[in-house]
Amino acid sequence: KNQVEQSPQSLIILEGKNCTLQCNYTVSPFSNLRWYKQDTGRGPVSLTIMTFSENTKSNGRYTATLDADTKQSSLHITASQLSDSASYICVVKNSGNTGKLIFGQGTTLQVKP
Amino acid sequence: DAGITQSPRHKVTETGTPVTLRCHQTENHRYMYWYRQDPGHGLRLIHYSYGVKDTDKGEVSDGYSVSRSKTEDFLLTLESATSSQTSVYFCAISPQTGASTDTQYFGPGTRLTVL
Repeated sequence: KNQVEQSPQSLIILEGKNCTLQCNYTVSPFSNLRWYKQDTGRGPVSLTIMTFSENTKSNGRYTATLDADTKQSSLHITASQLSDSASYICVVKNSGNTGKLIFGQGTTLQVKP
Repeated sequence: DAGITQSPRHKVTETGTPVTLRCHQTENHRYMYWYRQDPGHGLRLIHYSYGVKDTDKGEVSDGYSVSRSKTEDFLLTLESATSSQTSVYFCAISPQTGASTDTQYFGPGTRLTVL
């Protein structure tokens, strides 16, 4: 069964600290992996999209890694800010005609001053 | 929110009544999607459209219907609302140029409560 599992479920860190969110998937065949940020009361916004051949991709203070062999991804946030408080969703796209997206449940990050 | 609006943003209704949610885009994207988001679940696809009058079912389509008569509008109808359909509904759009990395852009969501 195609699944995307994220850990931890929630996380609290102090402003200025770094953190890493994890994503494990069993989706096959694999097309790409995406990380979305969802602020409270808003729709998800894309942070990165990584294909099979990409190991690392950065977007400002966000760095995503992908290990297609172990089917794991991580999202590292550097020098966290209060505005990073949000839910972070890992999404894997099936290859093939429908290109279905499989969503993880998300990690809720709270950054405290 | 990438030129996507959803209406209404909040709605409270009673069990058994029909409800229609509207998604409107100004990006002229070909694909449009309806998802629901519930605690303990990832976003789940209800229905999607790949062109005017072209729609297909997602993984949780029972109790829902959709229509797309214009490129810019995608309507989601709950034929007879039930309490299990209390959720936050998101519309998304995608250009689907053929690149596997086409992004889906999400609207602001509609919070629906069925009493």
